[in-house]
Amino acid sequence: AQSVAQPEDQVNVAEGNPLTVKCTYSVSGNPYLFWYVQYPNRGLQFLLKYITGDNLVKGSYGFEAEFNKSQTSFHLKKPSALVSDSALYFCAVRVPKLTGNKLTFGGGTRVLVKP
Amino acid sequence: DAGVTQSPTHLIKTRGQQVTLRCSPKSGHDTVSWYQQALGQGPQFIFQYYEEEERQRGNFPDRFSGHQFPNYSSELNVNALLLGDSALYLCASSLGSSQETQYFGPGTRLLVL
Repeated sequence: AQSVAQPEDQVNVAEGNPLTVKCTYSVSGNPYLFWYVQYPNRGLQFLLKYITGDNLVKGSYGFEAEFNKSQTSFHLKKPSALVSDSALYFCAVRVPKLTGNKLTFGGGTRVLVKP
Repeated sequence: DAGVTQSPTHLIKTRGQQVTLRCSPKSGHDTVSWYQQALGQGPQFIFQYYEEEERQRGNFPDRFSGHQFPNYSSELNVNALLLGDSALYLCASSLGSSQETQYFGPGTRLLVL
């Protein structure tokens, strides 16, 4: 079975400081990894994905994530956080050869960026 | 370019009733997946439709069923509603291939009383 862990329920950061949201995964096989963001009363917005290739992936709104196979991690980062980045962030994994197109999500991490 | 749309936005039902939720995929997409997001949790996969057939199913009972139409839009039906079915129901669309990103709609918030 595949699973995703987001060890922090909430991350607090001051505006302008670096932001990191942690994600680790457990799968059999090669994972496809995704980050989504959810604003209040909204659906999920796609930020970035890792399928193959360069371990550092750049996405929307200045976010990036690094795939680390040895540590089975896919942490989301932003060099300089904005107040508007305050939202709920979800990491997700898919293993097409085992479970097709099913996305398995972590429990989410709430990010609060203070002015 | 229209994104994924869902209707209705909110719905209130009572236990035992039946509900139908609707989803129109992003333009050019042919695959629709449904997810249930309970309060304070990550989304859980319900099932996926492609070429008008259910292709994959998560751990949800048969009370949850769906349909996909020739224009790729989809419905999620839930029978014999339980209080625990209260959640945000998210529809995601993608274009066939497994490498494609799933794009989500705004969701339908269902409250079962």
